[in-house]
Amino acid sequence: AQSVTQPDIHITVSEGASLELRCNYSYGATPYLFWYVQSPGQGLQLLLKYFSGDTLVQGIKGFEAEFKRSQSSFNLRKPSVHWSDAAEYFCVLVETSGSRLTFGEGTQLTVNP
Amino acid sequence: DAGITQSPRHKVTETGTPVTLRCHQTENHRYMYWYRQDPGHGLRLIHYSYGVKDTDKGEVSDGYSVSRSKTEDFLLTLESATSSQTSVYFCAIAGLAGQETQYFGPGTRLLVL
Repeated sequence: AQSVTQPDIHITVSEGASLELRCNYSYGATPYLFWYVQSPGQGLQLLLKYFSGDTLVQGIKGFEAEFKRSQSSFNLRKPSVHWSDAAEYFCVLVETSGSRLTFGEGTQLTVNP
Repeated sequence: DAGITQSPRHKVTETGTPVTLRCHQTENHRYMYWYRQDPGHGLRLIHYSYGVKDTDKGEVSDGYSVSRSKTEDFLLTLESATSSQTSVYFCAIAGLAGQETQYFGPGTRLLVL
């Protein structure tokens, strides 16, 4: 069965610092991978997605993620964090043959001024 | 934003009562999903639908049933609510499962006393 692991439950960074959120997955084929962001009391917004092709994908709000098959990882990065980036971030694996999403546990990001 | 609404947005009920949550979409998307979100678990799939009258179970389907009598509406029913079903429930839609983004509704906060 597929799984997604986000090793960091909570990360704190200073505004303007760089950010990397880790995501590891387990799946028997090449996965579809997403990163979603959830602001407090809000629904989920898609940041970016990887289906195939270029392993470095660009998303909204200045985020990018890199798919590394050899490491089974899909880490999310941002070169300079803004206070408005404080939120919970979810890495999500999508079955390529079906319709099910598997969510990681989420990483809560706090941004210090 | 994708046209997804959920009703009610907040509900308090008592143990043993039936509860129905409604998800309504205006996008004419084929796939609809119900998730629940609990601390430390990310989002977990309850049930999903791949067409009118076509539904299937997710990973946490016990105690829940669904119905989809028309494309735009997907109902989630808690047959006899329990305190363990206190959660935030999200509906999502997608046009082509696995290959398109799932768009999420605003969520329904349910408290079972």
